[in-house]
Amino acid sequence: GIQVEQSPPDLILQEGANSTLRCNFSDSVNNLQWFHQNPWGQLINLFYIPSGTKQNGRLSATTVATERYSLLYISSSQTTDSGVYFCAALDRGSTLGRLYFGRGTQLTVWP
Amino acid sequence: EPEVTQTPSHQVTQMGQEVILRCVPISNHLYFYWYRQILGQKVEFLVSFYNNEISEKSEIFDDQFSVERPDGSNFTLKIRSTKLEDSAMYFCASRLDISQPQHFGDGTRLSIL
Repeated sequence: GIQVEQSPPDLILQEGANSTLRCNFSDSVNNLQWFHQNPWGQLINLFYIPSGTKQNGRLSATTVATERYSLLYISSSQTTDSGVYFCAALDRGSTLGRLYFGRGTQLTVWP
Repeated sequence: EPEVTQTPSHQVTQMGQEVILRCVPISNHLYFYWYRQILGQKVEFLVSFYNNEISEKSEIFDDQFSVERPDGSNFTLKIRSTKLEDSAMYFCASRLDISQPQHFGDGTRLSIL
């Protein structure tokens, strides 16, 4: 299976700051998803972004499939953005859809 | 927006007991999955299910685990004889087809005593 690496593992920000989270994957993918895990453990779907750029409010994501990475941008961060951010990738050769998750970035936003 | 529903949200069970975790996937979805997340670790794939049969399973999914779609709407994960190391958050997911994202439920937190 593919390897998914996320960086940084931990990130501490002051409210209002911007941040960039990175996800590298070891092989070609045909599905890349970003999730936010809130303090209650729920996985919130942020983006489905196998390639290109998408924006949703203060969040945006870019995947460069040919270079095997994806970036999640958080602008004007708020305390409610705290939690763990996971990226997960689907092996390009897979037709059945097993997602491989990274270890996540733990984001803490202080007021 | 339709969502994946999991019950119960928290299950506490004695070691050695059987447990069934329940999921109702999004109604027109065709592919179903179980994942688990041990506390503080990454989310790991357990099994995928398509066309009423297991399509792929991980090395974690041993003979103690089974899945079933008994009635066309529910999708269950059974653990026959639970161990302490089965304590984790279990997520159910579904998707419409290969080109669509997986939608995750809120999870069932399983605690084995």
